[in-house]
Amino acid sequence: DAGVIQSPRHEVTEMGQEVTLRCKPISGHDYLFWYRQTMMRGLELLIYFNNNVPIDDSGMPEDRFSAKMPNASFSTLKIQPSEPRDSAVYFCASSSTGTATYGYTFGSGTRLTVV
Amino acid sequence: SQQGEEDPQALSIQEGENATMNCSYKTSINNLQWYRQNSGRGLVHLILIRSNEREKHSGRLRVTLDTSKKSSSLLITASRAADTASYFCATDSPSGTYKYIFGTGTRLKVLA
Repeated sequence: DAGVIQSPRHEVTEMGQEVTLRCKPISGHDYLFWYRQTMMRGLELLIYFNNNVPIDDSGMPEDRFSAKMPNASFSTLKIQPSEPRDSAVYFCASSSTGTATYGYTFGSGTRLTVV
Repeated sequence: SQQGEEDPQALSIQEGENATMNCSYKTSINNLQWYRQNSGRGLVHLILIRSNEREKHSGRLRVTLDTSKKSSSLLITASRAADTASYFCATDSPSGTYKYIFGTGTRLKVLA
């Protein structure tokens, strides 16, 4: 398995633009998580899905952020409009209820810079 | 909000020495996990310890859990330069929501 695949790896955009981050979880995993990592705030859980259904979006900072999981193999995190304070590394992770002992598998992240 | 706090924030040791990192958390848990993050990379799962376990080993890693003190420690024995990374603990909630909250991390530097 290729692991959790995130795209793009790097994104530089201007303030006010729409940004879409993409994630392909490991096949067979029924949980998908979106985290944001910054120096100031560390790793923050934004939202997570179970069987493609959003379970907890309490970490989504504002209405400018939205996430979807249209099927078991794809999820997006969208920021519209983007702001400089959204600059961070965004990680997607997936896991399976049946293999909780193995924890999450993280993608390599998308480094977002909003100028 | 962060559940776990790692201590120390940064640690520098010589190759071959042991490295100990501590994690304290605030509320009851079912499970606690440790992850490693190399610079510029995603997190890698190291080990999971359940609330009814006190100690767990995996290769050169030893994890302890003291639920009465709400704390855990990660010991890396005979450290290598390749162990240089940040280490995070992650805790779930007793309600079993299957979401984990990550601590602040310890930056470990192993000098060759």
